[in-house]
Amino acid sequence: EVQLVESGGGLVQPGGSLRLSCATSGFSFSSYAMSWVRQAPGKGLEWVSAISGSGGTTYYADSVKGRFTISRDNSKNTLYLQMNSLRAEDTAVYYCAKDRSGYVVPYFDYWGQGTLVTVSS
Amino acid sequence: EIVLTQSPATLSLSPGERATLSCRASQSVSSYLAWYQQKPGQAPRLLIYDASNRATGIPARFSGSGSATDFTLTISSLEPEDFAVYYCQQRSNWPPVTFGQGTRLEIK
Repeated sequence: EVQLVESGGGLVQPGGSLRLSCATSGFSFSSYAMSWVRQAPGKGLEWVSAISGSGGTTYYADSVKGRFTISRDNSKNTLYLQMNSLRAEDTAVYYCAKDRSGYVVPYFDYWGQGTLVTVSS
Repeated sequence: EIVLTQSPATLSLSPGERATLSCRASQSVSSYLAWYQQKPGQAPRLLIYDASNRATGIPARFSGSGSATDFTLTISSLEPEDFAVYYCQQRSNWPPVTFGQGTRLEIK
């Protein structure tokens, strides 16, 4: 059974940092690209970042470029999102999501339950 | 960036009725479009990818059609569990991946 479990969310002040983790199981982690997708309270879905299976290629939304860093540890089957210089508009539930195919083709067939990040003073 | 516009914003129907949801792209996305269902407090669920392919385990009452800029998600006969928010998503010209703003399907 495929499982994705996010952790690391919480309350942080503007300008602060947070690192999210997504522990996975039930599939060959290194064979699949992964993404982070967020959802502000009561709003729609916003793609944040993606990383190839090897970790060698990364992609970012303009809204987070230069502030967020996606990475993965294939030996631990874990995805990360380092978030720096956080702003109020980064407040959202952050989901990790698995690509449907083994190529970097961003359709997301499995999602975690999400972790809430709140940026507020 | 490709903008996806979904209509209507809210659709009110009864169980057993047919639902037709629309997604329009600001430029052609070929067939590189997916549909997701999201229920309150839950993560999204992939329903359709590449415009018309049902994802694993998705019931046959869900179907997708369209190409280029105009796409439709059809639910042939609504079940009580189908009332949710539906999003379209494109991967044609990425990054960024973009989503529509969602259509809320509610019980009439």
